[in-house]
Amino acid sequence: DAGVIQSPRHEVTEMGQEVTLRCKPISGHNSLFWYRQTMMRGLELLIYFNNNVPIDDSGMPEDRFSAKMPNASFSTLKIQPSEPRDSAVYFCASRREGADTQYFGPGTRLTVL
Amino acid sequence: GEDVEQSLFLSVREGDSSVINCTYTDSSSTYLYWYKQEPGAGLQLLTYIFSNMDMKQDQRLTVLLNKKDKHLSLRIADTQTGDSAIYFCAERYSSASKIIFGSGTRLSIRP
Repeated sequence: DAGVIQSPRHEVTEMGQEVTLRCKPISGHNSLFWYRQTMMRGLELLIYFNNNVPIDDSGMPEDRFSAKMPNASFSTLKIQPSEPRDSAVYFCASRREGADTQYFGPGTRLTVL
Repeated sequence: GEDVEQSLFLSVREGDSSVINCTYTDSSSTYLYWYKQEPGAGLQLLTYIFSNMDMKQDQRLTVLLNKKDKHLSLRIADTQTGDSAIYFCAERYSSASKIIFGSGTRLSIRP
C-alpha cells in the first residue's frame, strides 16, 4: 500500500496568493483528517470527513480556509488569500471505519512570504 | 474538556531507558496512543493501549496506563540515536471520535 499521499511536499508562495494542498487517503479508508503543525501551536486538527462528509470543521482558523472531499480518494485544503501566519506543515491522515488508529501522510511544508 | 499534556523535552544518554510521561483529562477515553515523528516526516503510530489494560509491551517499548491518575507513560529500553524524535501522546473516546494529541515531547540522545 502506498500510504497517504500528499502533494506538493513543499510550497512557497507570496502573501495573497491562493494555495491548494492535496491528499489521497489510503484506499478503503473512509475517514480523512487535515492537521496543521507549527512550533507555537503544536498539532491542530483543522477538519475531518467521514464518508466524504465534513463532520467537524471547528478547527478551521477562518473563512480563508476551506476543505473539500469530492470523492473517497481525494481531498483538498485551500487557503485564499494566504498570509505569512499560515506558514506551517499541513498533514493529512486517513482511517478505515472501525479501525483503532489513523495513518499520516508525509505532510506539506507551506511557506508564505 | 479534552486535554492531553506532556513535557516538551527529554534528554537521555545512549543505552539508558527513556520514560516519556503524559496526562489526559477525559476519563472516558477508550484508546490511548503513542506516535513518533522523525524530522521532516509525518506521525507514525508506535503503539496503543485500550483503557481496560494496564500495560502493553512491544520489544523495547513498554506502555503503562494508570487510569485512576489518568497517566500514560512510554518507556523505551536501551535508547538508541535512532530514537531521537518527537513523541506524541494521544487519546480517543470511541471508534467514531477524533484523536486528541498532546504537544509532543522532543527526545534527544546524548553519547
